[in-house]
Amino acid sequence: DAGVIQSPRHEVTEMGQEVTLRCKPISGHNSLFWYRQTMMRGLELLIYFNNNVPIDDSGMPEDRFSAKMPNASFSTLKIQPSEPRDSAVYFCASSPTSGGRGTQYFGPGTRLLVL
Amino acid sequence: QKEVEQDPGPLSVPEGAIVSLNCTYSNSAFQYFMWYRQYSRKGPELLMYTYSSGNKEDGRFTAQVDKSSKYISLFIRDSQPSDSATYLCAMSETGGSYIPTFGRGTSLIVHP
Repeated sequence: DAGVIQSPRHEVTEMGQEVTLRCKPISGHNSLFWYRQTMMRGLELLIYFNNNVPIDDSGMPEDRFSAKMPNASFSTLKIQPSEPRDSAVYFCASSPTSGGRGTQYFGPGTRLLVL
Repeated sequence: QKEVEQDPGPLSVPEGAIVSLNCTYSNSAFQYFMWYRQYSRKGPELLMYTYSSGNKEDGRFTAQVDKSSKYISLFIRDSQPSDSATYLCAMSETGGSYIPTFGRGTSLIVHP
C-alpha cells in the first residue's frame, strides 16, 4: 500500500519564482495536512483539510502561500512569489479520521531551497 | 512557555543502553499522546499512540503518560544503532479538531 506521495522531492528556485508542491494522500484518508519544518521553528502546521475542505489555515504565514485540494487524492501548496526565508522541508500528512486524533501519516517531504 | 516542551538533545548512548525520552506539556485538555520517529531526511512516522494515562508497550518501546504531572516518556530498551533518529512527541485534545501539537524533537544517537 503506497504511503503519502509528495513531489518534487527537492526544489531549488530563485527568489520571486512560483513554487508548487504536490501531495497524494493515502487512499481512504479524509484529512490532509501541510507542515513546514525548519531547525529554528520545528514542525509547523500550515493548513488542514477535512473532506477536501480547508478547515484551518491560520498557520499559513502570508498571502504568498495558498493551498488547494480539488479532490480526495490530490492537494497542492503554492508559494508565489517565493523568498529565501521560505527555504524549509515541507511535509504533507494524511489521516484516516477527522483531525486524526493526532495519528498522521507523513510523506517523505519536499526540500525547498530559495536562492 | 510553549504548550509542549522537549529537550532537543542530542542524546548519545552506547548500544544496548536503556533510553528515556521525555516531554512536558501545559494543556490539561490533552488526552491523546503520540511519539513519532523521524530518520534523517525522512518524514516522521508514528511509533506509539496512547490515550489518557498509563503505559503502553510495543516490543522494545514503552510509552508512559502521567497526566497528573503533565509528563510523557518513551523508553527504548536494548537500544540499537538503527534507533538513531529524532523522536517527536505529539499530543491532542479530545473533541474538536484533534490537531496534534508537536514537540521540537529529541535527537538520539546510539553508537556501536
